[in-house]
Amino acid sequence: SQKIEQNSEALNIQEGKTATLTCNYTNYSPAYLQWYRQDPGRGPVFLLLIRENEKEKRKERLKVTFDTTLKQSLFHITASQPADSATYLCALESNSGYSTLTFGKGTMLLVSP
Amino acid sequence: NAGVTQTPKFQVLKTGQSMTLQCAQDMNHNSMYWYRQDPGMGLRLIYYSASEGTTDKGEVPNGYNVSRLNKREFSLRLESAAPSQTSVYFCASMREGTEAFFGQGTRLTVV
Repeated sequence: SQKIEQNSEALNIQEGKTATLTCNYTNYSPAYLQWYRQDPGRGPVFLLLIRENEKEKRKERLKVTFDTTLKQSLFHITASQPADSATYLCALESNSGYSTLTFGKGTMLLVSP
Repeated sequence: NAGVTQTPKFQVLKTGQSMTLQCAQDMNHNSMYWYRQDPGMGLRLIYYSASEGTTDKGEVPNGYNVSRLNKREFSLRLESAAPSQTSVYFCASMREGTEAFFGQGTRLTVV
């Protein structure tokens, strides 16, 4: 069956360090992989999208890599700040049939001053 | 530009009652989605609509119905609410290959 796995344990890092979050998937052929941020009591907010033929994407302090051989995406936040504390969700958009987004369960990031 | 608007924000229902969650988007997106989010379970797709007039089941459709009456609006109906439907519900819309936009969520409690 299709599975998307994100580290369920919270990631605690110090301000200024680089946070790296992992998303692994099985039995998928995603056309796109997306990362979202979710704050308590709010809906997810889009951060980055990477296509299956792209290896890396950057946006300001954010970087996403996508390895379709390993079936893995890494999400990096450099020079992390306490305001980056949130839950980060990985989502895959299938390339077969209708376009649907399937989400991982998310990883909580806590950045301490 | 409002994006995705969901109503209501909060609702308490008694077991067996019915209600409809409303969702509207103003971005001219073809695809719209209903998710539920439970602690430890992440976002799970209930139903989706690839275009006006079409709907399809997602991962957890039992106990729900949907209507896509026009391009803007996609509603979710609980015909006979059960405590297992206590959850936070999110509506989203998206154009294929681009970002999804989410509503603020509806926190539903069934007692």
